[in-house]
Amino acid sequence: DTAVSQTPKYLVTQMGNDKSIKCEQNLGHDTMYWYKQDSKKFLKIMFSYNNKELIINETVPNRFSPKSPDKAHLNLHINSLELGDSAVYFCASSQSGTYTDTQYFGPGTRLTVL
Amino acid sequence: AQSVSQHNHHVILSEAASLELGCNYSYGGTVNLFWYVQYPGQHLQLLLKYFSGDPLVKGIKGFEAEFIKSKFSFNLRKPSVQWSDTAEYFCAVTPNTGFQKLVFGTGTRLLVSP
Repeated sequence: DTAVSQTPKYLVTQMGNDKSIKCEQNLGHDTMYWYKQDSKKFLKIMFSYNNKELIINETVPNRFSPKSPDKAHLNLHINSLELGDSAVYFCASSQSGTYTDTQYFGPGTRLTVL
Repeated sequence: AQSVSQHNHHVILSEAASLELGCNYSYGGTVNLFWYVQYPGQHLQLLLKYFSGDPLVKGIKGFEAEFIKSKFSFNLRKPSVQWSDTAEYFCAVTPNTGFQKLVFGTGTRLLVSP
């Protein structure tokens, strides 16, 4: 009964490949997020969706494309992977996306680009 | 744009010692403040949050934090740490308006020795 789940947990791939990470939440929340955590543990917001609509889109290369097929899912597709994309990617969700919300995080996906 | 500084990157304490982790933020408007914790092998989870009212906020597991507006600070405290408090602690801030857009500090790794 995991609240926010991500697949896969580990992803090792070659430069230039295209890969996807999936996220699902069973909390009934309206808002979902993607974060990137670099090797120094710095956590930075990438995207946020509220009711399947994109509401936050930080300065992220357009090789990264989020997709929200429904409120419970937010997937991240990455084209033409680069070495610098190696990081841990966290998905999170919150009730409505307002500034008072508590975010619930997934376990993370460790992406290694060789 | 807002930013968050956590001055202590690594802290080592013995059990029963008191803890204070520093967090300072930079933002021109009103903010909401959060502390999240990541225990080894676990998800990021909320420790406590501040929106308004009493600047001394109590969270889970005996943690508290005090918002000092004049110092732009939101330090985390615990009077007596336990071995189980070993974790990474992240301070975060979001503007007090609109959709939540958390900006995280770089984290403090706490190691509590038994």
